[in-house]
Amino acid sequence: GENVEQHPSTLSVQEGDSAVIKCTYSDSASNYFPWYKQELGKRPQLIIDIRSNVGEKKDQRIAVTLNKTAKHFSLHITETQPEDSAVYFCAASGDMRFGAGTRLTVKP
Amino acid sequence: NAGVTQTPKFQVLKTGQSMTLQCAQDMNHEYMSWYRQDPGMGLRLIHYSVGAGITDQGEVPNGYNVSRSTTEDFPLRLLSAAPSQTSVYFCASRQTGPTDTQYFGPGTRLTVL
Repeated sequence: GENVEQHPSTLSVQEGDSAVIKCTYSDSASNYFPWYKQELGKRPQLIIDIRSNVGEKKDQRIAVTLNKTAKHFSLHITETQPEDSAVYFCAASGDMRFGAGTRLTVKP
Repeated sequence: NAGVTQTPKFQVLKTGQSMTLQCAQDMNHEYMSWYRQDPGMGLRLIHYSVGAGITDQGEVPNGYNVSRSTTEDFPLRLLSAAPSQTSVYFCASRQTGPTDTQYFGPGTRLTVL
């Protein structure tokens, strides 16, 4: 099956700074890469995803980049706010394996 | 449209007991999965199904059984509960293809004493 590695495991930034979380995957056949945000005690919620036919996708302050050759993809959050504090997970298709997660803390 | 539902929300079992966690979706999704999330950890795939009558193992299948008799339902059975199975269990579903958005249920918090 797919193997997804995610770094860093924890990330602390000042409000207004940018945050970057990186993931690598092993299966070259994977072609869908979602990112989920999970707040304490809640279910994971999809925040952005990218398919293998594009290299970058943006949605307001959030962007995802994909390098299929190197088999890695990244989440970029700009102008971070305290409400961005949560655990973020990446995943890769087809059986949707998840990375271990990144705990992001945004300090006011 | 309720999305993905799970019951119960909380459950406490004694070692050796068996139980079934229920999962249902009303979006006519073909693909359903079960994950477990241990405290402070990521989501690990237990079992998944690509359609009614078809199931397959994920990363951590031991101690769990699944079946998929209908498109809507995908129950997870713990045959003989162990303390190591204390976790939060999430069910998820998505349409058919590997590029379709996956939706999660609210989770079941299970404690095995």
